[in-house]
Amino acid sequence: DAGVIQSPRHEVTEMGQEVTLRCKPISGHDYLFWYRQTMMRGLELLIYFNNNVPIDDSGMPEDRFSAKMPNASFSTLKIQPSEPRDSAVYFCASSLRVGYTDTQYFGPGTRLTVL
Amino acid sequence: DQQVKQNSPSLSVQEGRISILNCDYTNSMFDYFLWYKKYPAEGPTFLISISSIKDKNEDGRFTVFLNKSAKHLSLHIVPSQPGDSAVYFCAASLYGGNQFYFGTGTSLTVIP
Repeated sequence: DAGVIQSPRHEVTEMGQEVTLRCKPISGHDYLFWYRQTMMRGLELLIYFNNNVPIDDSGMPEDRFSAKMPNASFSTLKIQPSEPRDSAVYFCASSLRVGYTDTQYFGPGTRLTVL
Repeated sequence: DQQVKQNSPSLSVQEGRISILNCDYTNSMFDYFLWYKKYPAEGPTFLISISSIKDKNEDGRFTVFLNKSAKHLSLHIVPSQPGDSAVYFCAASLYGGNQFYFGTGTSLTVIP
């Protein structure tokens, strides 16, 4: 398997623009997670899905952030409008199931820079 | 509020010596702990884990120790190798919970 795929790998945009990050989970995995990595807070969980349904979005920082999973093989994280403080690395991860001991497999991340 | 803390942002160790990475947590309900390793331009990958019913788990050169009374865990790498140079994230989860709580990471550099 190719693992979790994310695109783009790098995104540079200007404040106020819309940004869409994409993720393809590992085939057969039922759970998908979106994380944001910053120096100050490490890896923060933004939202996760089970069978394409959002389960917990309490980590989404503001209404400017939204995530969708239209099918089992694709998810998007959208920021509209983007702000400089959104600059971070965004990771997508998937797991076969969610038990508190189950391994999550991460994609390579998207480095977002908002000018 | 950061429930999992890694207070050392970086650590340098000579090749062949022991690397000790530390992690503290505040939530006494955490039941399972993990370490992830991250190379530049890659996503984190699972390294080793430990359940709260144990105080030690070993996998080759990597050993994780858990001190529940102190709410502290550590990762020992012996002997350290240059390929171990990476960022290490500590994570914790609640029994029956659905998410991992990650620390801020420690960047390990193993000097040849």
